[in-house]
Amino acid sequence: EEQLVQSGAEVKKPGESLRISCKGTGYRFSSNWIGWVRQMPGKGLELMGVIYPGDSDTRYSPSFQGQVTISADKSINTAYLQWNSLKASDTAMYYCVRLFYSPMLATTIYVFDVWGQGTMITVAS
Amino acid sequence: EIVLTQSPATLSLSPGERATLSCRASQSVSSHLAWYQQKPGQAPRLLIYDASSRATGIPARFSGSGSGTEFTLTISSLEPEDFAVYYCQQRSNWPPTFGQGAKVEIK
Repeated sequence: EEQLVQSGAEVKKPGESLRISCKGTGYRFSSNWIGWVRQMPGKGLELMGVIYPGDSDTRYSPSFQGQVTISADKSINTAYLQWNSLKASDTAMYYCVRLFYSPMLATTIYVFDVWGQGTMITVAS
Repeated sequence: EIVLTQSPATLSLSPGERATLSCRASQSVSSHLAWYQQKPGQAPRLLIYDASSRATGIPARFSGSGSGTEFTLTISSLEPEDFAVYYCQQRSNWPPTFGQGAKVEIK
């Protein structure tokens, strides 16, 4: 079964750093783009950015550029989302997602066909 | 950034009824629109991509239509497990964006 398994919930203080992880299983991790999606409490979904684990090519949504760092280690099939200095406004659920490879178009498209279970981050003093 | 507006915000229906959800884009996204379902405490699930293609394992009661700026998700006959929040998402322009969500609740 193709799965993304995320690290557990975190409670942090403002100003602290954090890295959460997302491990892919059951498919060729290095050949599929991975993204991170934020869902603030009671709110909708926002794509933060994407990475291609094969060569670590990374793209950030403008709202998140400079706010977080996305990385990957293809040798252990794992992607990461990192903050250097957390804020209370970073409190949210974070999902890693796999971008869908369309056989009809023979390319990867920005549609998210596999989702991790989510990692809840709470930032409070 | 393309803004997606979903309507209605909440749809109150009974099992067996037909649900019709709308998604309007602030500019044309061609057919590059997807729909997701999210149940409480769960991650979203891909239902439809490229306006009308059902994702793997999605029941035939879910269908999508539309192009340009107007899209519709139809659930032909609601099952108890279909009561959830639904999101549309465009992939036409970077960054991909989602609608604000529409809740289908039990009447």
